[in-house]
Amino acid sequence: DTEVTQTPKHLVMGMTNKKSLKCEQHMGHRAMYWYKQKAKKPPELMFVYSYEKLSINESVPSRFSPECPNSSLLNLHLHALQPEDSALYLCASSPSGGHTIYFGEGSWLTVV
Amino acid sequence: DQQVKQNSPSLSVQEGRISILNCDYTNSMFDYFLWYKKYPAEGPTFLISISSIKDKNEDGRFTVFLNKSAKHLSLHIVPSQPGDSAVYFCAASTKRNSGNTPLVFGKGTRLSVIA
Repeated sequence: DTEVTQTPKHLVMGMTNKKSLKCEQHMGHRAMYWYKQKAKKPPELMFVYSYEKLSINESVPSRFSPECPNSSLLNLHLHALQPEDSALYLCASSPSGGHTIYFGEGSWLTVV
Repeated sequence: DQQVKQNSPSLSVQEGRISILNCDYTNSMFDYFLWYKKYPAEGPTFLISISSIKDKNEDGRFTVFLNKSAKHLSLHIVPSQPGDSAVYFCAASTKRNSGNTPLVFGKGTRLSVIA
């Protein structure tokens, strides 16, 4: 069972909407990640938070805005998305200094 | 510049036989390698890993072999079962003072185990 929980599992939004994806982990991990995955492609890193501070932003457009309210929660705020942003958005976490990251089940996003 | 390569997009194996999934890497700084399994509509699940100080790690039906000189690793599944049918991703990372680098993923290999 995954211990990284993502909500919602499915989201359909219009290009003018504002929505958020949420992620929660209770494993005490201090690094949290957002990945994006399109069909038949590997997961693509978007953001990394380390000890609740943004440490990596892989040149992601500003219409994606991450937020880490505390060590257990990670949000991804979405605004003015494009249809090509439709994808599976994966949250993950890892222990401090650990190599293995653990993924949630993902949130399927469709932008119409 | 693809640092982790899985050159076989797909593999079909008969149930009960061995499945061998291959992965090559170019960055000699990688010191930790992982395999993830992904079913459709789910997030990747961690399967097995290996540190660069080892050449083999085994966990039940799954064994990962690392050949550092060839920059090559492989995942062996034996015996293969229909439930193993999934996409398998190879991933690598390196340690640095500020923590580990995020994982670099290969493009994945779709394994089909035929009953």
